[in-house]
Amino acid sequence: GAGVSQSPSNKVTEKGKDVELRCDPISGHTALYWYRQSLGQGLEFLIYFQGNSAPDKSGLPSDRFSAERTGGSVSTLTIQRTQQEDSAVYLCASSRDMAGEQYFGPGTRLTVT
Amino acid sequence: QKEVEQNSGPLSVPEGAIASLNCTYSDRGSQSFFWYRQYSGKSPELIMSIYSNGDKEDGRFTAQLNKASQYVSLLIRDSQPSDSATYLCAVNPSGAGSYQLTFGKGTKLSVIP
Repeated sequence: GAGVSQSPSNKVTEKGKDVELRCDPISGHTALYWYRQSLGQGLEFLIYFQGNSAPDKSGLPSDRFSAERTGGSVSTLTIQRTQQEDSAVYLCASSRDMAGEQYFGPGTRLTVT
Repeated sequence: QKEVEQNSGPLSVPEGAIASLNCTYSDRGSQSFFWYRQYSGKSPELIMSIYSNGDKEDGRFTAQLNKASQYVSLLIRDSQPSDSATYLCAVNPSGAGSYQLTFGKGTKLSVIP
């Protein structure tokens, strides 16, 4: 079946602009995660959604970052007033349930100029 | 700070040999352990999960877990050039609602033809 999809695959934006990144999880997966991966850095957890529960936002690096998950499916990660240090690959993953195996999408490469 | 440590490599092995990748973790209460393979410019791909002490085999891959030593490893038998990639160890730490993964920075494996 279809895997996790993300869009756009690449995004170049100017410093100070807002960006929206989209994730469409595997059908039937109730848990959705956002991570980011910077050059030379490991994968860093950002936010986690499970069903209709309140999201775990403990990994968001600043209040410029926010995320929503509509209808328990598609999620949007929004970065306001982007900074150069936000440049990274943003990865979305989903799992059948909490604590299950996580499957990653292809990622969105964000470049802030 | 819950940490996952891996030797960054590169680890070079000849084609047909056994590649051994190691990972240690700091959170003694961790319950779930995963190995991901990441090709350059691609997103992580799940290759193994392990939850109990001992060995788990899947084709040419064997994951080994020793919770007492806080150690998890991945063996790749009959290594092929196509196995050349970065291998990420991921741990689901303990704690209420902690379902995000903590990743090591990865070991780069190079299989020499």
